[in-house]
Formats: sequence, C-alpha cells, structure tokens
Amino acid sequence: DAEITQSPRHKITETGRQVTLACHQTWNHNNMFWYRQDLGHGLRLIHYSYGVHDTNKGEVSDGYSVSRSNTEDLPLTLESAASSQTSVYFCASSDTRGIENEQFFGPGTRLTVL
Amino acid sequence: AQSVAQPEDQVNVAEGNPLTVKCTYSVSGNPYLFWYVQYPNRGLQFLLKYITGDNLVKGSYGFEAEFNKSQTSFHLKKPSALVSDSALYFCAVRDMNSGNTPLVFGKGTRLSVIA
Repeated sequence: DAEITQSPRHKITETGRQVTLACHQTWNHNNMFWYRQDLGHGLRLIHYSYGVHDTNKGEVSDGYSVSRSNTEDLPLTLESAASSQTSVYFCASSDTRGIENEQFFGPGTRLTVL
Repeated sequence: AQSVAQPEDQVNVAEGNPLTVKCTYSVSGNPYLFWYVQYPNRGLQFLLKYITGDNLVKGSYGFEAEFNKSQTSFHLKKPSALVSDSALYFCAVRDMNSGNTPLVFGKGTRLSVIA
C-alpha cells in the first residue's frame, strides 16, 4: 500500500545545530507539504512543493529550508535550531490532478531543541 | 485570503448523545472544505470533504458534515458519539479560485466523549 513516512519519529537536539527531518511518500504525488503543530496554533504551513525542483514558502518559513530532488522526498532542514522550533512536524502530500483532492499526512516527528 | 475558524477549543459530550464540532470559513470564491481527525501521537486522517452538490456530506466512522453557504459554515456531526471518537478534529479550506494551493487549517477542536 502507498504511504507517507517520516523519520526520525523523535529527535532531541541542541540550539544552533543543523537538523534534517525526512519525508518519503510512495503515492507518486507531485504536491508535498511541511506543517508544524503547536498548542494554540493548530497546523501552520512551513514550506511546500508542487514538483521536482519546485519549492515555496509558507507562513512560518523563517529558519527552515527544503529541497526537492525527486518526487518521493521532501526533507526539511533547520539551519540553526532554536528553542522556538520545538514542535511536532508533519509532512503531507496530495495528487496534482484535481484541486479538490485531500492531503495525506505522515505520522509526525516530535522535535525538541534544548 | 482564506481562513478557517473553529470557535470551540474543547467539546464534551456523553456517549450515545449527538455531537457537533463547529467550523466557519472565509474565502473569496467558493470553498472546498475538509475535516480531519487526529488521534494521540498520530498524523491527521481524512474524514470527509465537500466539493459541490449535496450540502450533507457523509464520511468515515459515521461522521457527516453540513455545508451552509449563507452561514459560511461546515459543522461536523455524528448522531451517536462513541468514546473512541475522542480526538482532535481539524477543519480545512481551499478556495476554488486559488488553484492548487495548500489547505488552510483551523486550530483544532478537542472532542471528549464521556462514558
């Protein structure tokens, strides 16, 4: 069955370190998204991609970057981790065909920045 | 700009009673509307969506939602709540005129069903 996976599921890091969160989907979806989930804020969009070599900034993109070298993967990099980036991160994907399509979500990565 | 409001942070309901989780939206054109559920330590799972047509949409696990254009609402409902329905529920919207833009999510409503 097609799926979307994230790794690691839990990560503890220190302030200032570079961190990369992986997202891999086997749906063959062109669209991929990164969100962070924080209490009181719900889901906020970080970055998204509509296809290989395409990336776009979301509402909370500062301090994060993504690159899309193939259809299946959209890694999220925290260039210099800050305590404010402690959060749960979710990756999602959706089919390009039809803008009415829903997004499918991965299981999430819980990141703690000390 | 697109936006979604879920006016209740928490909804409590007794098992067997009907439940409603509220959602209102704002878009410039016509909306595509979605409901997702999140169980503890899990990702979001798609429940149902409104695209066009019948205002009453049926989805997974016995849930349904009613689209009301005049009130710009898309409330999630279930006739008889189960303890296992306890979870975090998110409403999301996309404006039909915005192309293939990412979904905009509400802040979520925590549903607690009490036995």
